[in-house]
Amino acid sequence: NAGVTQTPKFRVLKTGQSMTLLCAQDMNHEYMYWYRQDPGMGLRLIHYSVGEGTTAKGEVPDGYNVSRLKKQNFLLGLESAAPSQTSVYFCASTARSGQLYGYTFGSGTRLTVV
Amino acid sequence: GQQLNQSPQSMFIQEGEDVSMNCTSSSIFNTWLWYKQEPGEGPVLLIALYKAGELTSNGRLTAQFGITRKDSFLNISASIPSDVGIYFCAGLNYGGSQGNLIFGKGTKLSVKP
Repeated sequence: NAGVTQTPKFRVLKTGQSMTLLCAQDMNHEYMYWYRQDPGMGLRLIHYSVGEGTTAKGEVPDGYNVSRLKKQNFLLGLESAAPSQTSVYFCASTARSGQLYGYTFGSGTRLTVV
Repeated sequence: GQQLNQSPQSMFIQEGEDVSMNCTSSSIFNTWLWYKQEPGEGPVLLIALYKAGELTSNGRLTAQFGITRKDSFLNISASIPSDVGIYFCAGLNYGGSQGNLIFGKGTKLSVKP
């Protein structure tokens, strides 16, 4: 039972490059989320999805795009990476009925933009 | 938007000591959650609280949902080295199309053997 799997685990990008972070969950969860974590800032919501084919902006969406073409996958894209996007990115998921029980998180992707 | 104030930001304690941390908000929440994050990993749920005044334990951890629904605390008794990590509180107002968790900024716990 894998839970929430994030790939890659580490990545270094040059400013202006693009990349896609993949989140996959095998729990048939409806809701999926992308957070970024920076020192002293806690977890900030970038984008989220309440179901296949739907996405919405969170607290810090600028510079990111997302897609949820399949229920089990939630992709986070950086079209033109900037040093300010250096961070640790976490994906999370929950069942609609499971919101009360919190989210299941992946183990994170550490991204450095130079 | 809603914000959670979590304190303290960091704690350095001796093994065996008790630990207390708390979260406060200007808004009411229906659910309070406490997570622990170990280095290199994602947050893991420790305790969930659903009713004002509720007191819930999970081993050496005890958490309470404040009567006003605007605060919560987490206590760890007789700390051990494996308690090291960052502890996050999170508040949830379910209902609507979103039901997103609001996270505190975390309390970093260091335990000296």
